[in-house]
Amino acid sequence: AQSVTQLDSQVPVFEEAPVELRCNYSSSVSVYLFWYVQYPNQGLQLLLKYLSGSTLVKGINGFEAEFNKSQTSFHLRKPSVHISDTAEYFCAVSAHSSNTGKLIFGQGTTLQVKP
Amino acid sequence: EADIYQTPRYLVIGTGKKITLECSQTMGHDKMYWYQQDPGMELHLIHYSYGVNSTEKGDLSSESTVSRIRTEHFPLTLESARPSHTSQYLCASSGGSGASSTDTQYFGPGTRLTVL
Repeated sequence: AQSVTQLDSQVPVFEEAPVELRCNYSSSVSVYLFWYVQYPNQGLQLLLKYLSGSTLVKGINGFEAEFNKSQTSFHLRKPSVHISDTAEYFCAVSAHSSNTGKLIFGQGTTLQVKP
Repeated sequence: EADIYQTPRYLVIGTGKKITLECSQTMGHDKMYWYQQDPGMELHLIHYSYGVNSTEKGDLSSESTVSRIRTEHFPLTLESARPSHTSQYLCASSGGSGASSTDTQYFGPGTRLTVL
């Protein structure tokens, strides 16, 4: 079984400041890792995913994440945030062996960018 | 452009009513999913489908049922709505030539259901 823990429920930050949203996972099998973003009144949209290769993954809108297998973490970062980045961010995993594509989500982190 | 639609976006209904939440996608994806999302909580998978005439229950027990008669359509039905069904319901689809576990899931905008 897999589980995902997002360590911060809310992250307030000023515009143009850097931000890190933390994600840790637990799994007895190898997993793929995802970050999704949900803007107000919209569905989830993929930011980035780690499948294999380089542990630093670049996504859309200037976001990047680093997979750390020893710490079972997949933290999301952006060097300079904009007001438009205000949204809910979800970390998720899927098991390598899954034939359903089922995603296990964390509880979400609300990023609040202040002017 | 990924297109997946859900209707209605908002629904307020009385206890005991039968409701159907619609989900359609135009991408030809074989896999479709229903998630339930409560405020401040993670999404929980309640149903999924591999393709036409294939449906399975997800991790979270749900009194809802689904059907998959056409590739593009994956409706969710509650025979008798109760206040405990109040939640947001998100539909998603995915498809690709590789393993399902690497696929990107594309989400609809959700239906926010309130049962009085």
